[in-house]
Order: sequence, then C-alpha cells, then structure tokens
Amino acid sequence: QSVLTQPPSVSGAPGQTVTISCTGSNSNIGAGSDVHWYQQLPGTAPKFFIYGNSNRPSGVPDRFSASKSGTSASLAITGLQTEDEADYYCQSYDSSLSGWVFGGGTKLTVL
Amino acid sequence: EVQLLESGGGLVQPGGSLRLSCGASGFTFSGYAMSWVRQAPGKGLEWVSTVINSADRTWYAASVKGRFTISRDNSKNTLYLQMNSLRAGDTAVYYCAKNRGLKVAEWFFDFWGQGTLVTVSS
Repeated sequence: QSVLTQPPSVSGAPGQTVTISCTGSNSNIGAGSDVHWYQQLPGTAPKFFIYGNSNRPSGVPDRFSASKSGTSASLAITGLQTEDEADYYCQSYDSSLSGWVFGGGTKLTVL
Repeated sequence: EVQLLESGGGLVQPGGSLRLSCGASGFTFSGYAMSWVRQAPGKGLEWVSTVINSADRTWYAASVKGRFTISRDNSKNTLYLQMNSLRAGDTAVYYCAKNRGLKVAEWFFDFWGQGTLVTVSS
C-alpha cells in the first residue's frame, strides 16, 4: 500500500486527454512538500518528468502539465501519442516518515 | 553528461549480505545528495535510502532501517549500499539516483542509473 495513491491504469485514444491523480495526506503533499513525476518506459529506468509540482524539464513536451492542490496532485496529458505509453509515478517527501514516498504508479495505455 | 553506473547485484541467500556500488560521472559528485531506489519485479518504485553530499546525514526507509547502510566516497565519486540480513522481499532492481532541490521537502531524483538486480533466494 503506497503512501501516495494513484489509479493503477488509465487509457485514451490518440489525440485525447487523460489525467493521472496522486492523492496524499497532510504529512506529505498537504504539508507543502513538492510533488514530482517520473516516466518509466518499458524495460528502462525511470526518468524525471515534472518537478516542483508543475515544472517541465527541457525535452518534455508541453502536452504534459501538472498541478497540485491541497493533499492531491495531477498530471495531465493532452493530444495523446502512442509514445506516451509508459508507467507514471508521483513522488513527494513525507515528514511523518522522514523519507521520500512514491505513488504506486499508473500504467498509461494509448488505445 | 551525467552517468550513474550500478554494480554488485546478484543472487544471495536469505540472511546473506551484498554491497552495491554506483560510480558517478558528469557532475560534481560531492555537491549533491544521492539515493537508492528499488523496484521489485512487476511492482512500483520504493525509496530506500539517501545520504547528503557531506555524508554526515542519512535517511532510511523503515523496511530497511537497521539492515542497510548507505555511504559514499567523494574522492572516488562512488555511492555504496551495504545490505545485510537480506530477505526475499528485498528482491528488486536497485537504482542509484542523484538528488536535486534546495530543501529536503523539495528533493527529487533527476538522474537515474540503469539499475542492478538483487535476487534473494535459496
């Protein structure tokens, strides 16, 4: 059971928009800890994708956007493309656990 | 170009020990905190341990505290994870990751190695 809760899977057709949620608590996201997102393509190491709640590093398309509110965060992907198929993980810091926590991951399928 | 290369994984019996290493290049290793993150087969990511750049502060996940020890040698640009009293539940790919961020609550992992597989089985 992950400290941050994500839906196990989401799907959409090419061109559509999907959103991945990440729900935490008052000891992590709700306490003001930043939320970050990672993309893991099949058989590869994770890659950081969004940092500081909503910032995209260079190379990440602007079709990807993220936000944070209260004890939750979300990653939105517009104009879905087949190459977006991957597992996506949210991550934050938990002050009660004194450590970093991940969501359980969401598998994005582009139909 | 930042590169992180893990080594030391393999098959070990329950109760055994293993030491992982992560060689770093392409950045000023002594300037950044470093971490280990693991991923059990078919499962999600689990943070394991972090050490600050000066090596005098460490953090551990509850699942490994008292069994694993993180350390670093800034003169060799190398991060280590000493794993003792290994259990079947420790079976995973172990990734070395570079930390980034100004404050602990902002820290994330901006570069990852390719991982090394640790299998705990009799």
